[in-house]
Amino acid sequence: EAGVTQFPSHSVIEKGQTVTLRCDPISGHDNLYWYRRVMGKEIKFLLHFVKESKQDESGMPNNRFLAERTGGTYSTLKVQPAELEDSGVYFCASSPRGVDTEAFFGQGTRLTVV
Amino acid sequence: GQSLEQPSEVTAVEGAIVQINCTYQTSGFYGLSWYQQHDGGAPTFLSYNALDGLEETGRFSSFLSRSDSYGYLLLQELQMKDSASYFCAVRDGGGGFKTIFGAGTRLFVKA
Repeated sequence: EAGVTQFPSHSVIEKGQTVTLRCDPISGHDNLYWYRRVMGKEIKFLLHFVKESKQDESGMPNNRFLAERTGGTYSTLKVQPAELEDSGVYFCASSPRGVDTEAFFGQGTRLTVV
Repeated sequence: GQSLEQPSEVTAVEGAIVQINCTYQTSGFYGLSWYQQHDGGAPTFLSYNALDGLEETGRFSSFLSRSDSYGYLLLQELQMKDSASYFCAVRDGGGGFKTIFGAGTRLFVKA
């Protein structure tokens, strides 16, 4: 069974550009989460989808970040326009319906804004 | 504010026992988790404690004291492959895996 996959693994963009990160959760997992880790700091919650609906987006830093999960399968996280402080590792995680105590993480996308 | 405190680095030798402590201050509490992350890899689930006490899974054990807002991860018979970052995390939401993570403890295992 394939795990959570994220694309790209690395992205280097200039300040002001747009970047879209993609996450493919484990097949059948209704819950999908986005997290971000800025260098050496804690892994911070961004938002939670249940199927295609946003259950909780309280961790989204500002309106430059837009997450979608059309059809309730894969999800995208777009940053537009990117700023220097958006650099970090963006993790996606998924879990089956009813499982709230653990999640399966992808390897992350390392975003560098220069 | 909400915070989890854990040591930034721990060094131990192969075969030894190491304990990684975690104290938390969160608005809600449903359970304490531990995750392991090797460099460049995905964080992987190790354990979850919702109730006070010790949970053992092979060489790893996790402990929780809700009254003290404290937990720890105990790694026994350390192996080189245990060198990784270890994150404690508090599930603070009643719905879903809304989880607050600590900054991680980098464990170095030496021969």
